[in-house]
Amino acid sequence: GENVEQHPSTLSVQEGDSAVIKCTYSDSASNYFPWYKQELGKRPQLIIDIRSNVGEKKDQRIAVTLNKTAKHFSLHITETQPEDSAVYFCAVSFYNNNDMRFGAGTRLTVKP
Amino acid sequence: DTEVTQTPKHLVMGMTNKKSLKCEQHMGHRAMYWYKQKAKKPPELMFVYSYEKLSINESVPSRFSPECPNSSLLNLHLHALQPEDSALYLCASSQGGRANTEAFFGQGTRLTVV
Repeated sequence: GENVEQHPSTLSVQEGDSAVIKCTYSDSASNYFPWYKQELGKRPQLIIDIRSNVGEKKDQRIAVTLNKTAKHFSLHITETQPEDSAVYFCAVSFYNNNDMRFGAGTRLTVKP
Repeated sequence: DTEVTQTPKHLVMGMTNKKSLKCEQHMGHRAMYWYKQKAKKPPELMFVYSYEKLSINESVPSRFSPECPNSSLLNLHLHALQPEDSALYLCASSQGGRANTEAFFGQGTRLTVV
């Protein structure tokens, strides 16, 4: 199956700063790259996703960039707020078989 | 309705018990998933059903037995579990088919094996 690596495992930023989380994957046939946020005791929820035919996508304070050649993609959160504190997971899905694998997760802490 | 509903929310079972986890969605999704999540770890893929057929089995021990009775329901039958099987079991669904799309997760069943 797909191998997904995610860094860093923990990230602490000051409120208002930016946060960047990076993931790499191994299978060049992967074509869908979602990011999930999981708060303590809650289910993972999609915050943004990108497909392999797009290099960048933005939704307000959140953006994702994809480099297919290098097989890595990144989550960018600007103007961080305390409520952004959570665990963030990248995921990779392989074309046509609904196989979705998660990275190890990044625990983001935004200090007020 | 973007809900994936899982029952029960909590389950405590002995190692000789048989129990079932249930998952339901009414979004018309044709791909349904079971994930296992241990504390401070990512969700780990167990099974995927695509159009009610088992398409992925990640070498899960036979004490876990999935079932997809129809396109809206997904079950996970548990038998002779071990204490290390204690975890949060998450069900998810997505549209399925060629275009991979967002997976919606249920709130999970927190399983404790004693």
